[in-house]
Amino acid sequence: QVQLVQSGAEVKKPGASVKVSCEASGYTFTGYFIHWVRQAPGQGLEWMGWVNPGRGGTYYAQSFEGRVTMTRDTSISTAYLELSSLKSDDTAVYYCARARGARATDYWGQGTPVTVSS
Amino acid sequence: IQMTQSPSSLSASVGDRVTITCRASQDISIYLAWFQQKPGKAPKSLIYGASSLQSGVSSNFIGSGSGTDFTLTISSLQPEDFATYYCQQYNTLPLTFGQGTKVEIK
Repeated sequence: QVQLVQSGAEVKKPGASVKVSCEASGYTFTGYFIHWVRQAPGQGLEWMGWVNPGRGGTYYAQSFEGRVTMTRDTSISTAYLELSSLKSDDTAVYYCARARGARATDYWGQGTPVTVSS
Repeated sequence: IQMTQSPSSLSASVGDRVTITCRASQDISIYLAWFQQKPGKAPKSLIYGASSLQSGVSSNFIGSGSGTDFTLTISSLQPEDFATYYCQQYNTLPLTFGQGTKVEIK
């Protein structure tokens, strides 16, 4: 069965970077894009961008441009989200989800809470 | 593209028919998805292509619409349906979500 399993909770100081992983199983990793979505406490969903595991291409939402890097390691079917220059309002749960290209997602990871606090 | 859901919240009883609307700020054809999220859980994909059910999703959920106006109908509200629902357009990058509609127990 399709599964996306994310890394555990993180606590970071302002200005630091965080790297979240998303390990895929149960399907051909290179056949689906991995999208990243975040949700601040008590807020709605915010789409961040995607990585194409097949070719490595990426698309980032403008609000994260310059601070975000999405990568993948096909040898271990894992996608990564790295966010730098963290601020307190980056405190959120970060989700990965798969989709056929830039289309509707179907399976989601369990989420990774990231807390940014001094 | 801005996505606007209404209402922001609603109260309903088990067995009620519930309708949530989602309006796009420009034409998105049928490239609209709906998600359900329960507290402390990841979103669950319900519908794609405005009206197609994801595998394993109850036929109690009905999506409709095209262009700029869309609806999600829960034909008979079940206890497990109390949650927050989000629409998302995937016609144009960046993808964007509505602000959510919380369905609460009356």
